[in-house]
Amino acid sequence: AQTVTQSQPEMSVQEAETVTLSCTYDTSESNYYLFWYKQPPSRQMILVIRQEAYKQQNATENRFSVNFQKAAKSFSLKISDSQLGDTAMYFCAFKGIQGAQKLVFGQGTRLTINP
Amino acid sequence: NAGVTQTPKFRVLKTGQSMTLLCAQDMNHEYMYWYRQDPGMGLRLIHYSVGEGTTAKGEVPDGYNVSRLKKQNFLLGLESAAPSQTSVYFCASSLFFGGDEQYFGPGTRLTVT
Repeated sequence: AQTVTQSQPEMSVQEAETVTLSCTYDTSESNYYLFWYKQPPSRQMILVIRQEAYKQQNATENRFSVNFQKAAKSFSLKISDSQLGDTAMYFCAFKGIQGAQKLVFGQGTRLTINP
Repeated sequence: NAGVTQTPKFRVLKTGQSMTLLCAQDMNHEYMYWYRQDPGMGLRLIHYSVGEGTTAKGEVPDGYNVSRLKKQNFLLGLESAAPSQTSVYFCASSLFFGGDEQYFGPGTRLTVT
């Protein structure tokens, strides 16, 4: 069974700084997908970025980028020029391509951006 | 286009009572999921469905039942609520497989006293 681990329960940075959230996972599959979801105080789950394991190039979405290290089974999220609106819980998630392709979530990292 | 909606948004139950949570999606998605979110544990899959008329167990299915009689609806039932089922419940849907994004509903906060 796949597992996802986020080792940083909480992080706090100043506005405009860069912050990196860590995520590691365990799987025996060679092809899969990885996601970062954001959950603001409104509770809505919002997709931030996704990465396909067979692509070596790291995904980027505006101020958000990932560092995907397949051999190390590591998938970190970097937020550049952080904004107050980035304050939220961030969840790393794994999705295999076999079976029903369920999402397996990490425990989450609570990120606070301070003014 | 409402996306994924959940009814109700909040509910308080007494131990032993039953209730049904309704999830509806208007995106013609094949896959639907029910998760629960507890503090410090992320989201855990309860049950899921890969199409109309099909359901399967997820990671934490005990105490819950589901039905998918119509493609757009996915119901989660609690037959005899227990305090351990106090949680926030999320429904999600996705078009098919692969890297398709799962779209989440706004969640239902359930308290069992």
